[in-house]
Amino acid sequence: QVQLVESGGGVVQPGRSLRLSCAASGFTFSSYGMHWVRQAPGKGLEWVAVISYDGSNKYYADSVKGRFTISRDNSKNTLYLQMNSLRAEDTAVYYCAKEALVYSRVPNWFDPWGQGTLVTVSS
Amino acid sequence: QSVLTQPPSASGTPGQRVTISCSGSSSNIGSNYVYWYQQLPGTAPKLLIYRNNQRPSGVPDRFSGSKSGTSASLAISGLRSEDEADYYCAAWDDSLSGSWVFGGGTKLTVL
Repeated sequence: QVQLVESGGGVVQPGRSLRLSCAASGFTFSSYGMHWVRQAPGKGLEWVAVISYDGSNKYYADSVKGRFTISRDNSKNTLYLQMNSLRAEDTAVYYCAKEALVYSRVPNWFDPWGQGTLVTVSS
Repeated sequence: QSVLTQPPSASGTPGQRVTISCSGSSSNIGSNYVYWYQQLPGTAPKLLIYRNNQRPSGVPDRFSGSKSGTSASLAISGLRSEDEADYYCAAWDDSLSGSWVFGGGTKLTVL
């Protein structure tokens, strides 16, 4: 069965960097696009970024564009999110999620999601 | 402020039918599919409805989705206590370079 396990969260000072990882198993990782979605404490869901199955296409939310970079290593079945110049408003649980359709270059939905990793940006 | 608009709360008694609305615009709901996610307390979101009205395997047929114009709705019939959760609608938005947008979420309380 599909399993997505995020790691790398923690407490970081404003302006610093952090890299999140999402280890995938139970499916052919290199065949599916992957997303990062975040949820601030007590708030709703916010899409962060998506990367195509082969890494050639990447899209970002305006709120993180230029600061965050999504990447993947298909040989390691792992998705990454490099977060630079972190701000207090980036504090959230970060979920990775698999796209539903294989080899897709058009937007398609997230299913399933990992359990999330908490990032706290605070001095 | 979320791009898609949902009521912050909804409630019903066991056995009742409740609906949750999701309002958007021509660049998102008006031209793309709508998806619904259920988030039980302390857990990750789970796909409930895809492509407006399709249920993934394992989702009870008590849950149904519909879309008309720039609005969508999720209906839950035969309400059960385990349906108490947060519900989010989502859609792709074609504006600018494109992005996924969510509703602010609706907290469903089973009285």
